[in-house]
Amino acid sequence: TQLLEQSPQFLSIQEGENLTVYCNSSSVFSSLQWYRQEPGEGPVLLVTVVTGGEVKKLKRLTFQFGDARKDSSLHITAAQPGDTGLYLCAGGSGGGADGLTFGKGTHLIIQP
Amino acid sequence: GAVVSQHPSWVICKSGTSVKIECRSLDFQATTMFWYRQFPKQSLMLMATSNEGSKATYEQGVEKDKFLINHASLTLSTLTVTSAHPEDSSFYICSAHRAETQYFGPGTRLLVL
Repeated sequence: TQLLEQSPQFLSIQEGENLTVYCNSSSVFSSLQWYRQEPGEGPVLLVTVVTGGEVKKLKRLTFQFGDARKDSSLHITAAQPGDTGLYLCAGGSGGGADGLTFGKGTHLIIQP
Repeated sequence: GAVVSQHPSWVICKSGTSVKIECRSLDFQATTMFWYRQFPKQSLMLMATSNEGSKATYEQGVEKDKFLINHASLTLSTLTVTSAHPEDSSFYICSAHRAETQYFGPGTRLLVL
């Protein structure tokens, strides 16, 4: 059974601060995806990383896939209240044709 | 973009009745769709993989006779919760696979009284 450990589970910081969310596993994934989920809605895809060592940037968000494709991180620079939400990492195998294994999520609150 | 819809968005039913939830890929074809369940304050848990034209594959611990899945076309998968009980109350979310990525529907909130 593949497991993804996501940390921290809860994080509350002030506007303007930086933060990093981690997603770790002992298993190798063919891809890793980061989602953001609002209450009562489905997850919305932020990024997919597929190559070990890959780094992708989405405005103030930087995503990294570990060299061994077992872990990933999400770094947010100068956090804003609009970044508040639940962030989920999810690992895929089989070229994406298999179901995803989700981490438990990080509840992020950015205080103005 | 890749848009996935679900219907209904919420449903309330009596214990013992059956409920059908639809998942549609609106602008692409998906031979594979997935069904997840999310309890309050928890993450998503994969229930089953829905394959167009063949039987669904279920994760360990998910009763296939209780959660019936039909993937009749390349854009539609349905999940039927049979003989629903209060413990089946949850947020059911589907996704459709496209090019290394899964795109999620908006979810269906099920409340069984």
